[in-house]
Order: sequence, then C-alpha cells, then structure tokens
Amino acid sequence: EDQVTQSPEALRLQEGESSSLNCSYTVSGLRGLFWYRQDPGKGPEFLFTLYSAGEEKEKERLKATLTKKESFLHITAPKPEDSATYLCAARNQAGTALIFGKGTTLSVSS
Amino acid sequence: DTEVTQTPKHLVMGMTNKKSLKCEQHMGHRAMYWYKQKAKKPPELMFVYSYEKLSINESVPSRFSPECPNSSLLNLHLHALQPEDSALYLCASSQGGRSNEQFFGPGTRLTVL
Repeated sequence: EDQVTQSPEALRLQEGESSSLNCSYTVSGLRGLFWYRQDPGKGPEFLFTLYSAGEEKEKERLKATLTKKESFLHITAPKPEDSATYLCAARNQAGTALIFGKGTTLSVSS
Repeated sequence: DTEVTQTPKHLVMGMTNKKSLKCEQHMGHRAMYWYKQKAKKPPELMFVYSYEKLSINESVPSRFSPECPNSSLLNLHLHALQPEDSALYLCASSQGGRSNEQFFGPGTRLTVL
C-alpha cells in the first residue's frame, strides 16, 4: 500500500536555528513529490514539486530535496513567520489523487 | 495567477438544511477536486472531476453531491448532514498530465448543528 510518513510530528525552533523536516514514502511509480505549507484554518499553499532523485528546489529560506526513499525540507535561519504546518504529498503511477502525510507543525519563536 | 476561490468562507447549517459550497478557478485547469479536512489531520480526498466528468468518488455518503457546471466551476451540494461532517472543505485544481501540482482554495469552514 502506498504511504507517506512525515517526521517529526511537531518541531520547535528558535529564530535562526536551521533544521530539516523529513518525508519518507513508499509509492509505486512516483509521479511527483509535493510540499505544501498550511496556516491554521486556511488552504494548503503549494511550495515545491520534485520528480527525480537528486532534484533540489529552493525558495527563500526553504530548500526541498529528494532521494529514492525520502524527501527533506530544509529550513535555513527560520523566522517566526515560517511557523505553519508543512504537508508532504505524493502522486503514484496509477492515480490522480495525492497521498498526504500527516504533516509537521513547525513553531519558530523569536 | 494561481488563485482558487471558494464561497462562503464560513457556513453554519442545521441537519435538515440544504446548502451549496462553490469553487472557481480561472487558470485553465482541467481537473478539480473536493477535499475534507478535520482538525490536525491531512486533507482527505472526496471527489475528482477531470474534464468536467466525475472520475473519482471516494465512497462519500450521498448527502454530499458534487457538480461541475463547466471547466471553471465546482459545486458541492449538502443535504441532511450530520454534526461529524463539520470540517474545513477544500477545493483544488490542477492542470493535469505530468504537471500535477494541485492549487488549493482557502476553504469553507462548515459547522453542522
């Protein structure tokens, strides 16, 4: 069965303290690994798509990487405004639907 | 423009009411989705429309009835809901094909009394 697992469930950082969020996946015929940011009570905001192992994408303080088994979202020198839930999702060969992980809730304090 | 709009933002309804949620996108996307999200959980897929035809129905109760009047609009008709149906309802759209980024709307917060 296709599965996406995120860790940790929650992460507390001090402003400026860099860290990484993990997304491990077992998906048949990966057709895309997606990262979203979600603020409370709002819809997920698209961040990145990764297709192939070794691929990397960056946006401001965020950098997403992909291997054959997992993806990382690296956060460099985070700010309080980076506090949110980060969702990882995968699309498999068969379907149109996204398989979501349970998310990592990041809290950054000043 | 990567905007998906949803109305209303909030909805409170009784168990005997009939209401509708609306979603609109003008990105030329050909796939549209309804998701349900409970607190501290990831979104759960309910329905997928591809080229205005229902392609996925994730065994959702018949009290939820989707409709896709055209390629830009998606509705979710609600009737005889239960309190456990209270959740954030999200609409999303995607271009389809290999480029399958789904862009989400802000959601409708539904409360069933």
